[in-house]
Amino acid sequence: GAGVSQSPSNKVTEKGKDVELRCDPISGHTALYWYRQSLGQGLEFLIYFQGNSAPDKSGLPSDRFSAERTGGSVSTLTIQRTQQEDSAVYLCASSLIGQGADTQYFGPGTRLTVL
Amino acid sequence: QKEVEQNSGPLSVPEGAIASLNCTYSDRGSQSFFWYRQYSGKSPELIMFIYSNGDKEDGRFTAQLNKASQYVSLLIRDSQPSDSATYLCAVTSGGSYIPTFGRGTSLIVHP
Repeated sequence: GAGVSQSPSNKVTEKGKDVELRCDPISGHTALYWYRQSLGQGLEFLIYFQGNSAPDKSGLPSDRFSAERTGGSVSTLTIQRTQQEDSAVYLCASSLIGQGADTQYFGPGTRLTVL
Repeated sequence: QKEVEQNSGPLSVPEGAIASLNCTYSDRGSQSFFWYRQYSGKSPELIMFIYSNGDKEDGRFTAQLNKASQYVSLLIRDSQPSDSATYLCAVTSGGSYIPTFGRGTSLIVHP
């Protein structure tokens, strides 16, 4: 079946602009995660959804970052007033139930470049 | 704060050799352990998971877990150039929904 998809694959924006990143998880997966990966760095957790609720937003780096999920499916990560330090690859992952040994499946990522 | 440590490498091995990748973690309550492979410019893909002490084998890959010493390792037998990638270790605590990732070890398998 289809895997996790993300759009756009690449986004170049100017400092101060808002951007929206989209994630389509695997059908039936209740858990959805957003991560950020900067060049040569590990995965930085941003936010976790269980269904449409976000019980853990602790990883969001500032109030310029927000995310929502609708219909227990598609999620959008919004970054307002982008800064150059926001440049990174934003990865979305989904898993069946979001607990313990549950396997996460990653999307291809969105490469964000803020000029 | 939960930490997962990996040597960044690069680890360079000749084709056909055994590559050994190590990961240590700080949280004694950790229960699930994952190894992901990430090719350059690509997203991580799961290779193996383990949650019992001992070895778990899958083809050329073996995961080894030692909870007393708080380390988990990944052995790749008969290494191939196509195994060249960054290997990420991830750990979740009991009941947790958010894995903690290490920064990854870069593996280079040269012909």
